[in-house]
Amino acid sequence: DTEVTQTPKHLVMGMTNKKSLKCEQHMGHRAMYWYKQKAKKPPELMFVYSYEKLSINESVPSRFSPECPNSSLLNLHLHALQPEDSALYLCASSQEDRDDTEAFFGQGTRLTVV
Amino acid sequence: SQQGEEDPQALSIQEGENATMNCSYKTSINNLQWYRQNSGRGLVHLILIRSNEREKHSGRLRVTLDTSKKSSSLLITASRAADTASYFCATWSGAGSYQLTFGKGTKLSVIP
Repeated sequence: DTEVTQTPKHLVMGMTNKKSLKCEQHMGHRAMYWYKQKAKKPPELMFVYSYEKLSINESVPSRFSPECPNSSLLNLHLHALQPEDSALYLCASSQEDRDDTEAFFGQGTRLTVV
Repeated sequence: SQQGEEDPQALSIQEGENATMNCSYKTSINNLQWYRQNSGRGLVHLILIRSNEREKHSGRLRVTLDTSKKSSSLLITASRAADTASYFCATWSGAGSYQLTFGKGTKLSVIP
């Protein structure tokens, strides 16, 4: 199984809502990532988890809160988002401690903040 | 921050023609990868070329790497309409906890 599964595929939320994005992989990868992608732009790294510990936070606002409950799951909790946070949110995973490997991406969650 | 810069940003060709995309990067690398993204969907890994390789082939894909110029190119031969997508180069950075950083990408349109 070489899939990264993200749910939901689409999400519309108000600025006062709380929602969560979910990501799951069963490849035994110990590195997992959240990326944000705006239209016509490359993916931008938000967070990196390594062995279920947050290792990189690319100065992401606190209204985005990541969580890694176990080695297969990655969540992104959303609260009090702004319309400019509307984007495609991508989850990815890779083998840890290697820089000669590919990353596997989910299909993304298309988030619209109204 | 972005490591790679693709050129051109957009490319439109007829089916059957070859498509060439270029990528330049700034820091030393151990390898460089190319990914493809269909409209609004996830990225798919295409090919990885190591710093000690100059050229690599995979099916209709040919990748070159020139570490002296800090540049790479992706050639898609005999393009098909299904090749229409955005293509990104990417490099790993950081030791111990790696980050995959993407270039700006080239949007390829293949006209049937």
